[in-house]
Amino acid sequence: QSALTQPRSVSGSPGQSVTISCTGTSSDVGGYNYVSWYQQHPGKAPKFMIYDVSKRPSGVPDRFSGSKSGNTASLTISGLQAEDEADYYCCSYAGSYTWMFGGGTKLTVL
Amino acid sequence: EVQLVESGGGLVQSGGSLRLSCAASGFTFSDYWMHWVRQAPGKGPVWVSRINSDGSSTSYADSVKGRFTISRDNAKNTLYVQMSSLRVEDTAVYYCVRDSRYNPELWGRGTKVIVSS
Repeated sequence: QSALTQPRSVSGSPGQSVTISCTGTSSDVGGYNYVSWYQQHPGKAPKFMIYDVSKRPSGVPDRFSGSKSGNTASLTISGLQAEDEADYYCCSYAGSYTWMFGGGTKLTVL
Repeated sequence: EVQLVESGGGLVQSGGSLRLSCAASGFTFSDYWMHWVRQAPGKGPVWVSRINSDGSSTSYADSVKGRFTISRDNAKNTLYVQMSSLRVEDTAVYYCVRDSRYNPELWGRGTKVIVSS
């Protein structure tokens, strides 16, 4: 099984919007509505930002949104802020109580 | 505070063994399935193993099957993984992760394992 495919990096200016894609297969992203997204700052634990494709845990700003079409999920961050600069990872349930993760995307706020 | 704190990582020679622990607090540990996920330097996370809430069912990634054993002590609110026959490619930060309806909801800060040749 290969990791989910994410772009290595994306960038945007403060106030702009960016979208990070996450492409899998019908055995993971396309097969289940259990896609989640994580924000990770250097040396910190991953922070749960989106679950079940598009739901936000309490405390996560509504600037963060998720969606899915076929085998590709997306995370959109609107109104970019300096503190959004981090690595972002997607994750999908892959059956048999296992998870598949993306390789990560480095977001740079210009 | 709801948190997971891993410990037990370190430097070990190829072929050696190590036991990692994860102390849970702030929630009812016995209600949740738990997982170990690892992340090699510069790479994305990779699922390693999972255990159900009462410890009666476990599963493993093919890469660690037969070498790693996951377990839990609900009385001590602690998750474990016993790692043996360690290989250089097992070098990674190991995270303890709480499962919430098929989503890896809560992560610890991780413990680093380095396997030298």
